[in-house]
Amino acid sequence: EDQVTQSPEALRLQEGESSSLNCSYTVSGLRGLFWYRQDPGKGPEFLFTLYSAGEEKEKERLKATLTKKESFLHITAPKPEDSATYLCAVTSGTYKYIFGTGTRLKVLA
Amino acid sequence: DAGITQSPRHKVTETGTPVTLRCHQTENHRYMYWYRQDPGHGLRLIHYSYGVKDTDKGEVSDGYSVSRSKTEDFLLTLESATSSQTSVYFCAIRDARGRGDEQYFGPGTRLTVT
Repeated sequence: EDQVTQSPEALRLQEGESSSLNCSYTVSGLRGLFWYRQDPGKGPEFLFTLYSAGEEKEKERLKATLTKKESFLHITAPKPEDSATYLCAVTSGTYKYIFGTGTRLKVLA
Repeated sequence: DAGITQSPRHKVTETGTPVTLRCHQTENHRYMYWYRQDPGHGLRLIHYSYGVKDTDKGEVSDGYSVSRSKTEDFLLTLESATSSQTSVYFCAIRDARGRGDEQYFGPGTRLTVT
């Protein structure tokens, strides 16, 4: 069964304290792995797509990496405005997207 | 911003009444999706559409129906609302341009069934 597990469920960081979020996945025939950011009361906002093991993508303080079993979202020197829930999802086709339950990140000033 | 709007943004309704949520997109995307989001669950697919009048069920489709008579509009109907359908509903499109697998989401509709 296709599955996505994110850890930790919640994370509190001091401003400038780098860390990583984990997304472990099981899917038959990975077509793509996605990271989203979701702010309270809003829809998920697309961040990255990763397609194959070894691939990396960067955007400002965020860097996403992919292996055959998991993906990491590295946050370097976070700021309070990085506080949000980060969602991971995988797809094996055009309609089936499996989402994790997210990691709630709080960055303290 | 993929030009996705949802209406209404908030709705309170009574058990047993029909409810229709609307998703509107302005960029002519072929694939559209309806999800629900509940605490402790990831986003779960209700129905999706791969073209005008072409729709199919997702993993939590019981009690829901959809229609897509125009490319830009995807409607989700709760035929007889129940308290278990209290949730936040998100519409999404799949951007099939380029490699085209990422989804873009609307702002959501918060539905409360009393």
